[in-house]
Amino acid sequence: EADIYQTPRYLVIGTGKKITLECSQTMGHDKMYWYQQDPGMELHLIHYSYGVNSTEKGDLSSESTVSRIRTEHFPLTLESARPSHTSQYLCASSDPQGVEKLFFGSGTQLSVL
Amino acid sequence: GIQVEQSPPDLILQEGANSTLRCNFSDSVNNLQWFHQNPWGQLINLFYIPSGTKQNGRLSATTVATERYSLLYISSSQTTDSGVYFCAGRETGGFKTIFGAGTRLFVKA
Repeated sequence: EADIYQTPRYLVIGTGKKITLECSQTMGHDKMYWYQQDPGMELHLIHYSYGVNSTEKGDLSSESTVSRIRTEHFPLTLESARPSHTSQYLCASSDPQGVEKLFFGSGTQLSVL
Repeated sequence: GIQVEQSPPDLILQEGANSTLRCNFSDSVNNLQWFHQNPWGQLINLFYIPSGTKQNGRLSATTVATERYSLLYISSSQTTDSGVYFCAGRETGGFKTIFGAGTRLFVKA
């Protein structure tokens, strides 16, 4: 099965802190994604990447930023966290060889106090 | 526009019962996938099913692409089947995968 890892699994921080959510995959996938999800609700795409040095914003406006310096690594950063950022953040990657099957990490549950 | 619609939104089953979940998708969506999100938030890809029928144990899925719908069948449901089931499709000629709103399933012991 997929090897895509997210850390931390849970994060509770105060307002105004800078945070970085880590995502790494060992499958060599070029395409990676960040989704935001409130509990039990639909997933919203906030960032995606075609490959190294390629990043795009998704459908849902987000104050976060991403970088893609290495194929396997796609971190997401919030410069100044606010309570409205409280949510689950899910990282995914897909095999570009025609199928585009999505594989997800375990997610980071972020709570901003 | 790009649409992926799921029904029913919520479903409660007695353990051992069978169920069918439906996903309707617009012309601008293809490459259907079904996912299960467990109560801990982990999303597992159940099926990649752009057309035809696939089976994996007690689960099976059928997509009729010409009629723009897909069905997920759960037979002999177990409490571990509880969670949210999402269908998703890729926008035609595009890059993004669009998710439906999900079906929240609770299986009672």
